[in-house]
Amino acid sequence: AQTVTQSQPEMSVQEAETVTLSCTYDTSENNYYLFWYKQPPSRQMILVIRQEAYKQQNATENRFSVNFQKAAKSFSLKISDSQLGDTAMYFCAFYNTDKLIFGTGTRLQVFP
Amino acid sequence: EPEVTQTPSHQVTQMGQEVILRCVPISNHLYFYWYRQILGQKVEFLVSFYNNEISEKSEIFDDQFSVERPDGSNFTLKIRSTKLEDSAMYFCASNDRSSHKETQYFGPGTRLLVL
Repeated sequence: AQTVTQSQPEMSVQEAETVTLSCTYDTSENNYYLFWYKQPPSRQMILVIRQEAYKQQNATENRFSVNFQKAAKSFSLKISDSQLGDTAMYFCAFYNTDKLIFGTGTRLQVFP
Repeated sequence: EPEVTQTPSHQVTQMGQEVILRCVPISNHLYFYWYRQILGQKVEFLVSFYNNEISEKSEIFDDQFSVERPDGSNFTLKIRSTKLEDSAMYFCASNDRSSHKETQYFGPGTRLLVL
């Protein structure tokens, strides 16, 4: 069975600095998708970024980028120029065969 | 930009009562999902639905749960006889599997409290 592990329950960063959130996963599949979702205090799930496993190039969306290491089964999220609005829970998720499997989340606090 | 919507935003019910949570997926999406998140825990898959039938369900999705697409726009989750442990945030999601390649878009959630 696939599993997703986020080993950092909480992280903090100063505004304008860079922070990296870790995620590892376990699967025997070769083709799959990985996602980062943001959950602010409103508890809505907001898609941040996605990565297709067959693509070697790391995905980037504005200030958000990933470091995808397929062999190591690692999928970290880098947030550059952190903003106060980035304060939220961040969930890493693995997609295969019709469902998302989520990690336990990392609570990110951005300080002024 | 099209969004997934869910109603109600909050629901309080007594243990043993039936609840129906409603979702309107993005209009051209064909694949629908329910997830739940117990407070302080991770998001868990409940069920996926395509072509008017369940594609996959988790062990959480027992006989107390059912899903339905009663018309061309709504997608509902029914809990027949609620238990205290059903208290959670319930998220609906949808995707079209064509242009966005397995990306699931989530609704704002329904916060269910069972007393």
